[in-house]
Amino acid sequence: DIQMTQSPSSLSASVGDRVTITCRASQSIRSYLNWYQQKPGKAPKLLIYAASGLQSGVPSRFSGSGSGTDFTLNISSLQPEDFATYYCHQSHGSPQDTFGQGTKLEIK
Amino acid sequence: EVQLVESGGGLVQPGGSLRFSCAASGFTFSSFAMSWVRQAPGKGLEWVSTISGSGASAYYADSVKGRFTISRDNSKDTLYMQMNSLRVEDTAVYYCAKGEGWNSGYRRFDYWGQGTLVTVSS
Repeated sequence: DIQMTQSPSSLSASVGDRVTITCRASQSIRSYLNWYQQKPGKAPKLLIYAASGLQSGVPSRFSGSGSGTDFTLNISSLQPEDFATYYCHQSHGSPQDTFGQGTKLEIK
Repeated sequence: EVQLVESGGGLVQPGGSLRFSCAASGFTFSSFAMSWVRQAPGKGLEWVSTISGSGASAYYADSVKGRFTISRDNSKDTLYMQMNSLRVEDTAVYYCAKGEGWNSGYRRFDYWGQGTLVTVSS
C-alpha cells in the first residue's frame, strides 16, 4: 500500500498568514493527489484535485503543487474560516486509496 | 444540487452485522463511481470501498475485505454497505462520497454525505 505522510501534524497561524502543508507519498503517485478540508462535526470538502486543480467554488487563496512523491497545499492569506483539519489523498492506480494523517490548523 | 444522505447506522455487538445506505440525488447516479470513507472517533480518514457506476467492479481496503460488501441499486439511486463480522475497530462515522474523474484516472471525492455513526460494542 502507498503510505501518505503529512507535515506538520498541527500548525498555529494567524489571520493573514501564508501557510504551507506538505504531503509525501511512499512511492511515486504522479499527480494523483487531492486535498480536503474538514471542520469539526462536518464532512470533508474537496479543495484541490490532481495536485493543482482548484475545485469549483473554492477560493483562489488555496493552491496545490507537486508531482511524484512530494506535494504541497498553500493558503496564501489565512481567513478565519480556514482553521480546520486538512487531509491529502492519493488515488493512484487500482482503487486502494489512502489518506494522510491530517494537519490541524489552529489560530495562534 | 447534489445530495447524499446516509441512514442505517447504529449500535451493534462485536461479530454482528449491519447494513446502511446512502440515498443520492441531483446527479445521474449510474454515471459515477461511489465510495465509502470512514473516520474513527478523533482519528483521520480511511478509504473503505469503491464501486463503479455500473456496479460491475468493487474494491475494498484490506482491513474490510471479506467482511464488507458494497453494492448499489441504480434504479433507486442508492448505495449500500453490508458489514459482517464487525469488530470494535470498525467503530466510525461512515461517509458516502461521490466519485469524479474515474475516466481520466484523476479520481477524487467531490461530494460527501453527512455521515452515519456505526458503534461496535458489547
